[in-house]
Amino acid sequence: EIVLTQSPGTLSLSPGERATLSCRASQSVSSSYLAWYQQKPGQAPRLLIYGASSRATGIPDRFSGSGSGTDFTLTISRLEPEDFAVYYCQQYGSSYTFGQGTRLEIK
Amino acid sequence: QITLKESGPTLVKPTQTLTLTCTFSGFSLSTSGVGVGWIRQPPGKALEWLALIYWDDDKRYSPSLKSRLTITKDTSKNQVVLTMTNMDPVDTATYYCAHIIYLGRGFDYWGQGTLVTVSS
Repeated sequence: EIVLTQSPGTLSLSPGERATLSCRASQSVSSSYLAWYQQKPGQAPRLLIYGASSRATGIPDRFSGSGSGTDFTLTISRLEPEDFAVYYCQQYGSSYTFGQGTRLEIK
Repeated sequence: QITLKESGPTLVKPTQTLTLTCTFSGFSLSTSGVGVGWIRQPPGKALEWLALIYWDDDKRYSPSLKSRLTITKDTSKNQVVLTMTNMDPVDTATYYCAHIIYLGRGFDYWGQGTLVTVSS
């Protein structure tokens, strides 16, 4: 089973700064079947990125995804106040495992 | 418009079997490529994928929980049912169902979740 490891565990930044979140897989993720989700307290997760780099419907272009194989990145170009949340990566090419999450908090 | 909603008991006793129902609208589980999955999240912890069923009745299970899980679908009722046997306090979590397209975009629509507490 593919294990996804996200880093850092917590990221402290200020609005307007750039955020870079990492997701590393224990084996190659086939055909970049890698998704990113945002979750705010008390809410269900929301799909942000799929296929490693495609934005889901309605997602602002400050969110971008990149990577292939075993290393993937979610970048938020300029943080808005509503972006502070927990972010999860997930692979859906071989089983459907999630990473342990990165908490993005206001500095 | 795709919507999903989870229903089931909010409290179960240890060793009991949990049965959760996902009722959905806006899509059909008889359409090629469509699937519904279950994901849970213990309080303050990460998401954990549990099980998934596709339009062709292909069923997938988390390897670590496979022996305790059964997923079924009722296409005519637009429902997916998950059963989990031998419940334990560590199974206390919010349980979500979500829509997926086979090798598509991941889980693109989610239910609101239902909190299940396991306690005697």
